[in-house]
Amino acid sequence: NAGVTQTPKFQVLKTGQSMTLQCAQDMNHNSMYWYRQDPGMGLRLIYYSASEGTTDKGEVPNGYNVSRLNKREFSLRLESAAPSQTSVYFCASSVAGSGGAGANVLTFGAGSRLTVL
Amino acid sequence: QQQVKQSPQSLIVQKGGISIINCAYENTAFDYFPWYQQFPGKGPALLIAIRPDVSEKKEGRFTISFNKSAKQFSLHIMDSQPGDSATYFCAASKGNTPLVFGKGTRLSVIA
Repeated sequence: NAGVTQTPKFQVLKTGQSMTLQCAQDMNHNSMYWYRQDPGMGLRLIYYSASEGTTDKGEVPNGYNVSRLNKREFSLRLESAAPSQTSVYFCASSVAGSGGAGANVLTFGAGSRLTVL
Repeated sequence: QQQVKQSPQSLIVQKGGISIINCAYENTAFDYFPWYQQFPGKGPALLIAIRPDVSEKKEGRFTISFNKSAKQFSLHIMDSQPGDSATYFCAASKGNTPLVFGKGTRLSVIA
């Protein structure tokens, strides 16, 4: 059981290039999330998908787009990368919704380290 | 506006000592307060969580203390071990809204 799988693990981009981070979970979870982690800033929510077919903005959505391809997959796209998007990106999933009963336990992937030059 | 404020930013504790990390929140509607543990190169993982209807929850060496009136909660690690060295995040959420995380505390337990 792989849990949450993110690809790629590392990526270097030049300013203005585009790329997509892929995330897949095999736990039949309903909700999926993208966070970014920066030194001293904690984990900040970029976008989330409470259920298949829905997506919502988080705290820092500017410069990003997402697609909930199906129940398993949730991708994050940078259309025109900027140095400010250099970060470690984490995908996470949870059983049902967010908050509430123990079903809200987030399972995180191992992260994708992105550098924008 | 930071919804969950975590302190200290870093912490060094002797092996066998008690590690204490504190968090304060603003939104009184929050009803779920987890702590996540992250080792270098890994994603965060749930360590322990509490709801506001109890003041304390203990799991092994890890205890959450919750003070609803002060809008604060803390993580206590008893008998801290070098293997506990990691970054710890507190978080909070209300109903079905996504978790809001604190900025993290880097704990180093030295022998």
